[in-house]
Amino acid sequence: GESVGLHLPTLSVQEGDNSIINCAYSNSASDYFIWYKQESGKGPQFIIDIRSNMDKRQGQRVTVLLNKTVKHLSLQIAATQPGDSAVYFCAENLGNQFYFGTGTSLTVIP
Amino acid sequence: DAGITQSPRHKVTETGTPVTLRCHQTENHRYMYWYRQDPGHGLRLIHYSYGVKDTDKGEVSDGYSVSRSKTEDFLLTLESATSSQTSVYFCAIRGTGGEQFFGPGTRLTVL
Repeated sequence: GESVGLHLPTLSVQEGDNSIINCAYSNSASDYFIWYKQESGKGPQFIIDIRSNMDKRQGQRVTVLLNKTVKHLSLQIAATQPGDSAVYFCAENLGNQFYFGTGTSLTVIP
Repeated sequence: DAGITQSPRHKVTETGTPVTLRCHQTENHRYMYWYRQDPGHGLRLIHYSYGVKDTDKGEVSDGYSVSRSKTEDFLLTLESATSSQTSVYFCAIRGTGGEQFFGPGTRLTVL
């Protein structure tokens, strides 16, 4: 199977600071990527996506960067808020299937 | 929430009993997926469907079967539940842009 990994299992940031969560993927043929947020006891929530023909995509307070050369994906959250505390993970799409990382747990310190 | 519901939301059962989990969607999406989520693992694909009566296996399909007799419903069956199938199960649909959206999950405990 595909391997999608995250560099750090946990991340703590001060409220108001920016957060950066990283993800490595293994298959250079992957053409679509998604970042999810998962709060305890809930299903994964779609945050933002990016296709392989793009390097950067911005949403509301979030930015995803894609570096295809090193097969690396990052999620940047601006002005992190307590409500951002959750597990974040990336997904890599190949054909009809998605492959998921194990996640980074983000804790926002008030 | 992409109109996805799962039932039941919680279930406790005994080893050897059959269990069926239901995923229901209201938006007529062609692709539906079943995943399991366990500590230390990313979401792992069990089975997926690309249309009525059209299904395919995923990474961890052993011990599971699926059926899709209507576009809106995708059923996951554990024919004879084992303790290793204790997990949280998520259903997902694939949106028109290729995105995956998830349901709220079913927490299954097999004693």
